[in-house]
Amino acid sequence: AAGVIQSPRHLIKEKRETATLKCYPIPRHDTVYWYQQGPGQDPQFLISFYEKMQSDKGSIPDRFSAQQFSDYHSELNMSSLELGDSALYFCASSLGAPRDEAFFGQGTRLTVV
Amino acid sequence: AQRVTQPEKLLSVFKGAPVELKCNYSYSGSPELFWYVQYSRQRLQLLLRHISRESIKGFTADLNKGETSFHLKKPFAQEEDSAMYYCALSGFNKFYFGSGTKLNVKP
Repeated sequence: AAGVIQSPRHLIKEKRETATLKCYPIPRHDTVYWYQQGPGQDPQFLISFYEKMQSDKGSIPDRFSAQQFSDYHSELNMSSLELGDSALYFCASSLGAPRDEAFFGQGTRLTVV
Repeated sequence: AQRVTQPEKLLSVFKGAPVELKCNYSYSGSPELFWYVQYSRQRLQLLLRHISRESIKGFTADLNKGETSFHLKKPFAQEEDSAMYYCALSGFNKFYFGSGTKLNVKP
């Protein structure tokens, strides 16, 4: 069965560069969640989208932006990268009621040098 | 290989009944284990972690290294406990989620 696909799997960027992370949800899923997990930390919720509209916002820096496109895939854009942005970024997708279980992607490992 | 297994996709219980959500893991080291909960259409929330040994919303979980299990328990389920529950393992600088168990508490 198709799962949540994230690309790229690994990304190395220099400080002040930009990065774009992509998340392809399971087909027909209408909700995408983005999380950031720093080294040795719990995943932190960044932002979520439902039907291409932002549905919830967490601790997402102003330097980051995200959107969900017409095909329901989502992109997380990160500008002016800082060393502290190095983390595992993973997304999850779900289908609205009655089934709300979220399926997680394998994540994108971003390293800022 | 590191893995988190939640064998039940759906667990239905009546209000007031005890509930146990199963979680087994495989990990070559000393893992940190967590339970996360996701209420309908809401973000994932940390419910509890094994190192804190706390009880949140009446839920407890004990790490059994011999059985490599971290089952989540509550003696008396409430309707508001209905949600998706994810067991997760942290180790080797990665986070591994189980596939989730949907808990349905019936009135």
